[in-house]
Amino acid sequence: AQTVTQSQPEMSVQEAETVTLSCTYDTSESDYYLFWYKQPPSRQMILVIRQEAYKQQNATENRFSVNFQKAAKSFSLKISDSQLGDAAMYFCAYRRGYQLIWGAGTKLIIKP
Amino acid sequence: NAGVTQTPKFRVLKTGQSMTLLCAQDMNHEYMYWYRQDPGMGLRLIHYSVGEGTTAKGEVPDGYNVSRLKKQNFLLGLESAAPSQTSVYFCASSYRLAGGRDTQYFGPGTRLTVL
Repeated sequence: AQTVTQSQPEMSVQEAETVTLSCTYDTSESDYYLFWYKQPPSRQMILVIRQEAYKQQNATENRFSVNFQKAAKSFSLKISDSQLGDAAMYFCAYRRGYQLIWGAGTKLIIKP
Repeated sequence: NAGVTQTPKFRVLKTGQSMTLLCAQDMNHEYMYWYRQDPGMGLRLIHYSVGEGTTAKGEVPDGYNVSRLKKQNFLLGLESAAPSQTSVYFCASSYRLAGGRDTQYFGPGTRLTVL
C-alpha cells in the first residue's frame, strides 16, 4: 500500500532564511506524481508545486523548489527567502489513480 | 471566476440528523472529489466522480452518499450523522488528464460538528 510520511510535525525558520520540509513515500509504481500543498489558517488548500516522477529535473516555482530523489523515495520542499505569508501547514501528497494519498502535514512557523 | 465553492461553511448537527453539502465548480472540470480532514491527519478521499452521472467510492465512504446530476455540482450527503463524522470536509475538482497529470483545485472547506 502506498503511504506518505512527513516526519516533521512542526518546523520554524527565521524570516528571509531557507527551510526544507521532508517527505518520504512508499510505492511500487514507476510513473507517478507528487505534490506539495499549502494550507494557511484560512483553511484553503493551495497547490505549491508538483513533480512528475519520470522527470529527472527538480520542479521549481519562484521561491519554492523540490529535491526529488526517486531511488530514495524522497520528495522534500525547499522554501527560500521565507516570508511571513509562508506560515501554514504544508502537506505532501502522492497521486494514485484518482486518489491523492496525503501525509499528516508539517506546520511551518516563520519568526519575524 | 469563483473556482470551487462549498456550501455551507459551518454546520452543527445532532446525532441522527441528515444534511447535504454542496460543491460547485465553474472551471468545466470533469473530475470532482470529496475529502475529509481530521486533526493530525492528511486528507482522506470519501467519494469521487469522473463525470456527470457517475460516482465511485474512495478510501472512507461509509456513512456518506454522493450525487453528480450536473457536471458543475457534486453533492455529499449524510443520512444519519454520527459524532465520528465531525470533521472538515473539502471538495476538489480537476480536468481529465491521462496518467494522473491533473492538478486538483480545492474549495474552502466545510467545518461540520456532530453532537
